[in-house]
Formats: sequence, structure tokens, C-alpha cells
Amino acid sequence: DTAVSQTPKYLVTQMGNDKSIKCEQNLGHDTMYWYKQDSKKFLKIMFSYNNKELIINETVPNRFSPKSPDKAHLNLHINSLELGDSAVYFCASSPLSGSGWFFGPGTRLTVL
Amino acid sequence: GQQLNQSPQSMFIQEGEDVSMNCTSSSIFNTWLWYKQEPGEGPVLLIALYKAGELTSNGRLTAQFGITRKDSFLNISASIPSDVGIYFCAGRPYSGAGSYQLTFGKGTKLSVIP
Repeated sequence: DTAVSQTPKYLVTQMGNDKSIKCEQNLGHDTMYWYKQDSKKFLKIMFSYNNKELIINETVPNRFSPKSPDKAHLNLHINSLELGDSAVYFCASSPLSGSGWFFGPGTRLTVL
Repeated sequence: GQQLNQSPQSMFIQEGEDVSMNCTSSSIFNTWLWYKQEPGEGPVLLIALYKAGELTSNGRLTAQFGITRKDSFLNISASIPSDVGIYFCAGRPYSGAGSYQLTFGKGTKLSVIP
């Protein structure tokens, strides 16, 4: 069973479109995250949710909006996509104790 | 925000050699994690460290949590071709809202020559 899953794996879209990425974890963790990995492989946190509440919102454009319908899901919606949004987006989860963050397989977003 | 300095940035080694990489931080962390990322995949947790001075092994991998809480190293012994990938250190701040945040180093890209 996949611990942290994301869909889709690849997303190619035109500039200006709106798209969503879905994430689900079956580990029973309390906290979920979205990370962005740029072309230089640097991983930067975007959002952190604890029990459906936003904990961390780094300096991310408000075109990015996370939504957590329940503890096991954290989706990322992106409005008015721009070329600079092209990256790999990773969902992750961790228990409240912080004893290990577990990552999904990533979604490679390409904006044309 | 907090930054982690990870070195070296890349390594080319012969199969069978030992590898060492490290991370340093300007602030205290209460958790250090080491990840490996292969092409097209997400980072996979290798070793987690929770106490200053802790030394933990996972097969041929050994990692230590520095006594100052500001550094950690990862050693790989007798490298094999499947060790190829990017290794990331990551640290969790000591307390507060930031304790939900995991800060990553910039990675060490490991290449193993058979």
C-alpha cells in the first residue's frame, strides 16, 4: 500500500489555466505539507496543515491555495498558472511528534 | 528563514569506497533526517536522529546528530552502484510553530563509478 500518494504524476498545461493536485496519506498522520522542488533540486516548504488547519504558509503567491477536506487529504489548487510555476510538487506527511516526514512520489508540473 | 549548508555538493567515487557528507546549521535543530532521492521519485527517509550525540545505522549507512545540535553527518560504507542519487539532510527546528517545518539542505549528488 502506498503511504503518501499524489495525482497526477505529470501535469502539462497552458499559462493562465487553473489546475489541482491531489494528495492522500494512509499513515494516520496529523500533519501534511506541500513542498516545491525547483530545477536545482532545492526543496522548499509551501504549506503545512495540522488536523485540517493551516499552520505554515510560506511566501507563496495567493494563486496557490491548499485545501484539506479531512486529515488524510491535502489538495493544492493553482490559479492562473505562470511559466515560473513549472516544478515538481511534493506532498508529505508526518506524525505530531515529528518523527519522520514521508513524501509522495511528486507531481511534475510543466506550464507552457 | 533557516538555512542548512550541505556539503559536498556532488561526489564521484569508485565502487567500494566510503562516502561522507555533512550538514551544518546556524540554529539549533531537535531532529535531523537524511533522505535519498532517485530520479523521478520522491525523497525516501533513510535515517532519523532525535537526540544530540545520537549515532544511528541503517545497513551500510551511519548518521550522527551533532552534540551542538547544529550539525549532522551521513556516512555510506562500501558504496555500490545503486547508492547513486541525491542525498538530502533535513532539520526540524527546536520548538514553536517552526517545529512543523522541515528545512532541507541543497543536496549531495552521489555518482558511483563501477
